[in-house]
Amino acid sequence: TQLLEQSPQFLSIQEGENLTVYCNSSSVFSSLQWYRQEPGEGPVLLVTVVTGGEVKKLKRLTFQFGDARKDSSLHITAAQTGDTGLYLCAGPSGTYKYIFGTGTRLKVLA
Amino acid sequence: ETGVTQSPTHLIKTRGQQVTLRCSSQSGHNTVSWYQQALGQGPQFIFQYYREEENGRGNFPPRFSGLQFPNYSSELNVNALELDDSALYLCASSFSTHSGSYNSPLHFGNGTRLTVT
Repeated sequence: TQLLEQSPQFLSIQEGENLTVYCNSSSVFSSLQWYRQEPGEGPVLLVTVVTGGEVKKLKRLTFQFGDARKDSSLHITAAQTGDTGLYLCAGPSGTYKYIFGTGTRLKVLA
Repeated sequence: ETGVTQSPTHLIKTRGQQVTLRCSSQSGHNTVSWYQQALGQGPQFIFQYYREEENGRGNFPPRFSGLQFPNYSSELNVNALELDDSALYLCASSFSTHSGSYNSPLHFGNGTRLTVT
C-alpha cells in the first residue's frame, strides 16, 4: 500500500522566517503534487513535479522532487501571513486515484 | 471558465438517514472524483466517474454510491449514515482522454461539510 507521510504535522512561525515541509514515501511515484487548502475551501494545486531531482519555484515557494522519486520538499522563504494553510502532497496511485498525505498545518504569525 | 461547484455547503443529518451531495465539474472536464476528508486528515479517495461509469473505487462500503450525468456533473449518495461519515466531502474534476489516465490535475470544489448526529 502506498503511503505519503508529511512532516511536521504542525508548524507555527513568525512572519519573515523560512521553513521546509517534507513529504516521504517508501514507494516510487511517477509524479507528486503539492496543494494548499485554506479553511472552508478545497485544496488548490500549487505545483506538479515529475522528474527525479526536479526543482520548481513559485515566487517564494521552492519545490523539490527527490532523485529516487520517493520524496519531495516544499521550502518557503520569508513566510507571510497569507501562506497560512494546510499543505498537502499527493501522488497518483494505480490508474485512477491520487493518495494524499495527512498534511502540514502552517500558521504564520504577524 | 467555471470552476467546480458543490452543493450544499453544509448539511446536518441523523444517523441512519440518507444524503445526496452534488457536484458540477469545471467546464472542459469529463472526469469527476470524490474524496472524503475527515478532520485533521488528508483527503481519502472514494470513487471516480468517467463517461457516466464508476472508473475506480477506494476502500469505502457499498452504501457510498454515485452517479455521473451526460453533462459530467455528479452526485454522491450515502445511505444508512453513521457518525464516522461526518467529514468534508470534496469533488474534483479533471480531463481524461481515456479511462484510467492522468491527463490533467485535479480541480477541487470547496466541499460539502456533512455532520451526522
